[in-house]
Amino acid sequence: DAGVTQSPTHLIKTRGQQVTLRCSPKSGHDTVSWYQQALGQGPQFIFQYYEEEERQRGNFPDRFSGHQFPNYSSELNVNALLLGDSALYLCASSLAQGWRNYGYTFGSGTRLTVV
Amino acid sequence: DAKTTQPPSMDCAEGRAANLPCNHSTISGNEYVYWYRQIHSQGPQYIIHGLKNNETNEMASLIITEDRKSSTLILPHATLRDTAVYYCIGFREDDKIIFGKGTRLHILP
Repeated sequence: DAGVTQSPTHLIKTRGQQVTLRCSPKSGHDTVSWYQQALGQGPQFIFQYYEEEERQRGNFPDRFSGHQFPNYSSELNVNALLLGDSALYLCASSLAQGWRNYGYTFGSGTRLTVV
Repeated sequence: DAKTTQPPSMDCAEGRAANLPCNHSTISGNEYVYWYRQIHSQGPQYIIHGLKNNETNEMASLIITEDRKSSTLILPHATLRDTAVYYCIGFREDDKIIFGKGTRLHILP
C-alpha cells in the first residue's frame, strides 16, 4: 500500500520565481495538509484541504496557495519566492472521518532551495 | 501555539528503555495525545496515540497520567535507529496538528 508520495524530492529556484509542489495522499485518505519545516525547526502548518476546499490555514501569506483535485491529490504553490522560503515542505494525508484511529501519514517531503 | 512541553534533548544507552516525558496540562478533554518522531530529513512517523488509557503497540508504550496533564512515551529497548526528534502533540479530530520543538533523543552505543 503506497504511502504519501511527494514530488519532486529536491528543487532549486531563484528569488521571485514561482514553484508548484505535488502530493498524492495515502490510498483511502481524503484530507491533505501541508507543512513547512525550516532547518532545525519543527514543521509549521500551512493549510489543509478537504473536499477540494481549504479547510484550515496557518499563519502564512497569500503567496502560499493550494489546490486539491477530485482524486484527493494536492498541489502547493508559492509565488514570488523569497530566500526565507527555503525549507522542507511536507505533505500529510488523513481520513476526515475516523482519522483519530490512524493519525496523519507524512510524505518524505520536497526540499526547496531558493537562491 | 503547541499545547505540549517537552525537554529539548535526552540521552539513552542502547538496549535500555527510553522514557520521553511530555507535559500537556492545557489540552482539552476531547484531544488525543499523539506521538510522532522524525528521523533526520525524513517526514514525521506516527508512533502511538491515546486519550485516557495507557496504550501499547509494536513500537512503543504510552503512559498517560490519570489527570491527563502529562504522559510518557516508552521505547522499551532503544536502538541506534531510534535516534530522532520526538514530538508529543495534542489535538482533536476537526483540528490540525501543531508541532512544538520536540525532544531530540540520542541513543548512545
